[in-house]
Amino acid sequence: KAGVTQTPRYLIKTRGQQVTLSCSPISGHRSVSWYQQTPGQGLQFLFEYFSETQRNKGNFPGRFSGRQFSNSRSEMNVSTLELGDSALYLCASSLGGEGQTHEQYFGPGTRLTVT
Amino acid sequence: GESVGLHLPTLSVQEGDNSIINCAYSNSASDYFIWYKQESGKGPQFIIDIRSNMDKRQGQRVTVLLNKTVKHLSLQIAATQPGDSAVYFCAERMKGTYKYIFGTGTRLKVLA
Repeated sequence: KAGVTQTPRYLIKTRGQQVTLSCSPISGHRSVSWYQQTPGQGLQFLFEYFSETQRNKGNFPGRFSGRQFSNSRSEMNVSTLELGDSALYLCASSLGGEGQTHEQYFGPGTRLTVT
Repeated sequence: GESVGLHLPTLSVQEGDNSIINCAYSNSASDYFIWYKQESGKGPQFIIDIRSNMDKRQGQRVTVLLNKTVKHLSLQIAATQPGDSAVYFCAERMKGTYKYIFGTGTRLKVLA
């Protein structure tokens, strides 16, 4: 079974631009979570989607948004990029349903550099 | 490329010895916990999990202990190997949510 995939793996953008990152979960997994990882702040939760609905959101500004499609693939968007948005963006998938196991598996991440 | 903190606490262990990595979690209402291993340039890798109604769970060479009284989680790795060198994170899930809070991480160095 293929793991979580994320595209692109590396991205360089300029301040003020916007970016869209993509995540394909493990087959059968319906929950997708997004995290930002930086050396200073560690791993921080952005949001979680299940069956195209956002169930939880972290403490990030509205410039960070996401969505999930009917095939469980997810995208996150960051608008008006700032230098501080440079980070590794990680996506994780799990079965996510009530009564199902909660094991969460991560993709390799997208390394975003904002210049 | 590196993707974890530059100033993480570091645990150095001799190859073959047992390792114990500790984590203090923040929310007494958290009901599920996971330990992850992250190697340089990779995403976190699931190691073992435990629910709040348990105090111990064993896997292959790993054991997780949960002490809810003091909000403490530990990961024990038996017969530590060079391939165990990585950064280890604990994560807690807040009860009633699908939101995980990660610890700051511990770097494990295995000495040959």
